[in-house]
Amino acid sequence: QVQLQESGPGLVKPSETLSLTCTVSGGSISNYYWSWIRQPAGKGLEWIGRIFSNGATNYNPSLKSRVTMSVDTSKNQFSLKLSSVTAADTAVYYCARVYGLELDVWGQGTTVTVSS
Amino acid sequence: QSALTQPASVSGSPGQSITISCTGTSNDIGSYNLVSWYQQYPGRAPKVMIYEGYKRPSGVSNRFSGSKSGSTASLTISGLQAEDEADYYCYSYAGSSTNWVFGGGTKVTVL
Repeated sequence: QVQLQESGPGLVKPSETLSLTCTVSGGSISNYYWSWIRQPAGKGLEWIGRIFSNGATNYNPSLKSRVTMSVDTSKNQFSLKLSSVTAADTAVYYCARVYGLELDVWGQGTTVTVSS
Repeated sequence: QSALTQPASVSGSPGQSITISCTGTSNDIGSYNLVSWYQQYPGRAPKVMIYEGYKRPSGVSNRFSGSKSGSTASLTISGLQAEDEADYYCYSYAGSSTNWVFGGGTKVTVL
């Protein structure tokens, strides 16, 4: 079955760029949308955006100016970059597969802390 | 981007039924029957329980059901069990400019 695994630095300095990668195993990254979602400690889920396997993207309007998503089909990976981070970007970041209209497979999540 | 509105908490006794509401607007839930519901235990990733408003993925108990009326979607858990104690989130398409949005989440407590 398809599994997702997030990876990247757990600590990012303010004003720098957060970079995360999601590796897809057990299936192909092709012909699906893939999403990033985040959750600050003790708070709700926030949709960051999604990317199709051909590179087409949709972003949360509130984050759009700072978000870049990319996909590498040869590595079965997709990535998130969030620039100019502040403490408000501290959260658990999840990657997920979009199947139909729902998020059917999720990674375990990775905690990113923004601090100097 | 405004989150969909959910009650912060809902509780019920074992065996009872509870309903969690998810209120949106004519721009999201009111225009599309594309709501999905997610269950999340502490420290765990969310799991889809209902998709496209009322459909259940394979393996999800039929005690979970979804519905929609106007701009409000609902998740009903019947025959409440201790294992249902978790956070629940709704998620909906909200049009081409807003894209996708989550509800604020509801903590379900089994008394």
